[in-house]
Amino acid sequence: GIQVEQSPPDLILQEGANSTLRCNFSDSVNNLQWFHQNPWGQLINLFYIPSGTKQNGRLSATTVATERYSLLYISSSQTTDSGVYFCAAHGSSNTGKLIFGQGTTLQVKP
Amino acid sequence: GAVVSQHPSRVICKSGTSVKIECRSLDFQATTMFWYRQFPKKSLMLMATSNEGSKATYEQGVEKDKFLINHASLTLSTLTVTSAHPEDSSFYICSAPGQGQRTEAFFGQGTRLTVV
Repeated sequence: GIQVEQSPPDLILQEGANSTLRCNFSDSVNNLQWFHQNPWGQLINLFYIPSGTKQNGRLSATTVATERYSLLYISSSQTTDSGVYFCAAHGSSNTGKLIFGQGTTLQVKP
Repeated sequence: GAVVSQHPSRVICKSGTSVKIECRSLDFQATTMFWYRQFPKKSLMLMATSNEGSKATYEQGVEKDKFLINHASLTLSTLTVTSAHPEDSSFYICSAPGQGQRTEAFFGQGTRLTVV
């Protein structure tokens, strides 16, 4: 099945800095999503982005499906951005079964 | 977007008892739902696919008799952790796929299970 890898595993930033999180996947995808997991465990859906570019406030994401990667950009980071960011994908079989990367733990310091 | 509701959000149970977790799609029908498990500081691991009207499909290494899944209706899937042990303590979360061409997945709030 599809494999999903994220980098970096950990990231520490000063408030106001920008960052880029990367997600590589091993096969063509029908779905690619980015999530932020809050301290209570809930997955906050950031982007549904199997291809192309989307922006939502200080966050944006780009998926280059032909090269099998996706990027999540966080600009002007805030302490509330801290947490774990996951990307997840499922392949062309379209089963809806998402495979998660290992996550990037982001810490934004004041 | 679509809403998936999971209940309870937190449960503590004694070893040897069984615990049922519910996952409901509130404003759409879901013939398929998915159950994931997350260990502390780890990623989400797919446990099984819940299929409405038929048996669940379990991922390799997941004990079918330990984690009973029932998908009784188009809006409800349940996961029952049977004869719970402390090592079953974990975070469990369900999801349902989107409809039509849009394949976005929607997740419940998750259930934190502690077995004492």
